[in-house]
Amino acid sequence: ETGVTQTPRHLVMGMTNKKSLKCEQHLGHNAMYWYKQSAKKPLELMFVYSLEERVENNSVPSRFSPECPNSSHLFLHLHTLQPEDSALYLCASSPELASTDTQYFGPGTRLTVL
Amino acid sequence: LAKTTQPISMDSYEGQEVNITCSHNNIATNDYITWYQQFPSQGPRFIIQGYKTKVTNEVASLFIPADRKSSTLSLPRVSLSDTAVYYCLVGVDSLSGGSYIPTFGRGTSLIVHP
Repeated sequence: ETGVTQTPRHLVMGMTNKKSLKCEQHLGHNAMYWYKQSAKKPLELMFVYSLEERVENNSVPSRFSPECPNSSHLFLHLHTLQPEDSALYLCASSPELASTDTQYFGPGTRLTVL
Repeated sequence: LAKTTQPISMDSYEGQEVNITCSHNNIATNDYITWYQQFPSQGPRFIIQGYKTKVTNEVASLFIPADRKSSTLSLPRVSLSDTAVYYCLVGVDSLSGGSYIPTFGRGTSLIVHP
């Protein structure tokens, strides 16, 4: 186990629904990340938080809204998604936002948008 | 702006040594090179990291030439369980400036045959 948990592990939602993905780490890390991985595509970095402040928003549509209430928790709020948003959403954390710091990934949430 | 370039796929056989090369022509002076392994429907996990010359751990070796414009991950005596996608990672500067943002390449899908 890497110490990063994600809930739910699987989620099916309609385009009009509102749902949230949760990520939690108890590693004492200060940086947290959301990634999207579509089928047979590389990892796409969505958001980066350092010390609870967002430092990167990688041109992500506004129907994805991140929230980092403290250094241990990261949320991704979803609303009015599209079928093409179906993917594996991965959360990761690292000690700091630094080149030398290893990222620890959670198991991911498999999202299906109908 | 592509930061890294890797072969899309590679095939090998059990017991062979596998070398995967990543090009990162625009690597920054303070950038480290990190390699991750990812199995289907799981988050990536750290394999090895280096800055220059050679690094070796219990699972792999990493060779980095003096100009640091490329790196080679070496997996000795691969087994079927080494079938996975391998990513090399270097950083980019945040759009807002001043922050290190990790950037995964497209990865190399390694298939190990019996």
